[in-house]
Amino acid sequence: DSGVTQTPKHLITATGQRVTLRCSPRSGDLSVYWYQQSLDQGLQFLIQYYNGEERAKGNILERFSAQQFPDLHSELNLSSLELGDSALYFCASSVGPLTGYNEKLFFGSGTQLSVL
Amino acid sequence: LAKTTQPISMDSYEGQEVNITCSHNNIATNDYITWYQQFPSQGPRFIIQGYKTKVTNEVASLFIPADRKSSTLSLPRVSLSDTAVYYCLVGERYNDYKLSFGAGTTVTVRA
Repeated sequence: DSGVTQTPKHLITATGQRVTLRCSPRSGDLSVYWYQQSLDQGLQFLIQYYNGEERAKGNILERFSAQQFPDLHSELNLSSLELGDSALYFCASSVGPLTGYNEKLFFGSGTQLSVL
Repeated sequence: LAKTTQPISMDSYEGQEVNITCSHNNIATNDYITWYQQFPSQGPRFIIQGYKTKVTNEVASLFIPADRKSSTLSLPRVSLSDTAVYYCLVGERYNDYKLSFGAGTTVTVRA
């Protein structure tokens, strides 16, 4: 158990809908990262938050947004869903913003999103 | 940005040692080398990290030659449960390359 909690584990929805994925980082971790993993692709970095502020952005679609709350949990909002958004979405956390030499990422077990 | 190259896949048998080599020719002076393991439908898990020479923990060993242009992850006496994707990451500041994990190496262990 990594200590990172993601809910829900599975989500089935229809095209055009909006969903919210939730992540609780490990106790004491200030950074949260979101990744998308499709069947044919590796882990694609979406976005990172550190202590409530956006820190880095990957190829995140405009239909997607995220935020980190004062209690450090994070939510990833996916709107106007398309079939191609079906994927496994992972959240990870780390103590700091990964500017240190030996910091590590701790991943949750993911949310499997199926868009029908 | 230190780009990494690692084999797409490797096959092995139970009880054998598996060595996965990652090339990172453009590694910078302050870059560290980190390996993660991912099982199907699970998030990646940190395995080992090193800067130079050799690092060993309860899971694996990491060998880094003097020029640091490559590194080798060694998994001793693998079992079926070691079947996974292994990712090599290089960099001091993850933000510089947007925390990209690449395609990784799929290791399949057979009985």
